[in-house]
Amino acid sequence: AQKITQTQPGMFVQEKEAVTLDCTYDTSDPSYGLFWYKQPSSGEMIFLIYQGSYDQQNATEGRYSLNFQKARKSANLVISASQLGDSAMYFCAMSVDSNYQLIWGAGTKLIIKP
Amino acid sequence: KAGVTQTPRYLIKTRGQQVTLSCSPISGHRSVSWYQQTPGQGLQFLFEYFSETQRNKGNFPGRFSGRQFSNSRSEMNVSTLELGDSALYLCASSLFQGWTGELFFGEGSRLTVL
Repeated sequence: AQKITQTQPGMFVQEKEAVTLDCTYDTSDPSYGLFWYKQPSSGEMIFLIYQGSYDQQNATEGRYSLNFQKARKSANLVISASQLGDSAMYFCAMSVDSNYQLIWGAGTKLIIKP
Repeated sequence: KAGVTQTPRYLIKTRGQQVTLSCSPISGHRSVSWYQQTPGQGLQFLFEYFSETQRNKGNFPGRFSGRQFSNSRSEMNVSTLELGDSALYLCASSLFQGWTGELFFGEGSRLTVL
């Protein structure tokens, strides 16, 4: 069965520090994609970053990077130099080629302290 | 360009009633998918439409249905509402069927069933 696990329900981080949000996944499908989304209190899901299972290099998008460790089945999100506006829920999600839907983790609530 | 628009943003219904939610995707996007988000179950896939055809369906009872129009706008309907249907319903659009990377989400419709 396909599954996404986020083990950190909540995190407090000091502004300007780097943050790592954990995500592990489980799938037997060789072709899959891993996503990170941010959900502020307004409810909208905001796409942050994507990593394909065959991508050799870790994905980066501005202050966001994805630490992809295929053997460990982990896809941690790293936010460098955190900002107050980064406070939100963060969701890790996966899609596999054989099934056109996103499977979501439970999310991590990140609070950035000034 | 305009993002994904969902209406209504908030609504309150009573048990046994039915509800229709609307989603207007980004112009040019032909795929629309729906997700239900609850505190207990997290984010769960409802269904996906592409070119007016339902391509994939999640594990929800038949009370949940949807459709897509020729202009790619989509509606979802929930009949005989139950208390457990209270949730944030998110719509996402993409250019192609299924996922090829980024899904663009609306702000959601928050349904409360009393």
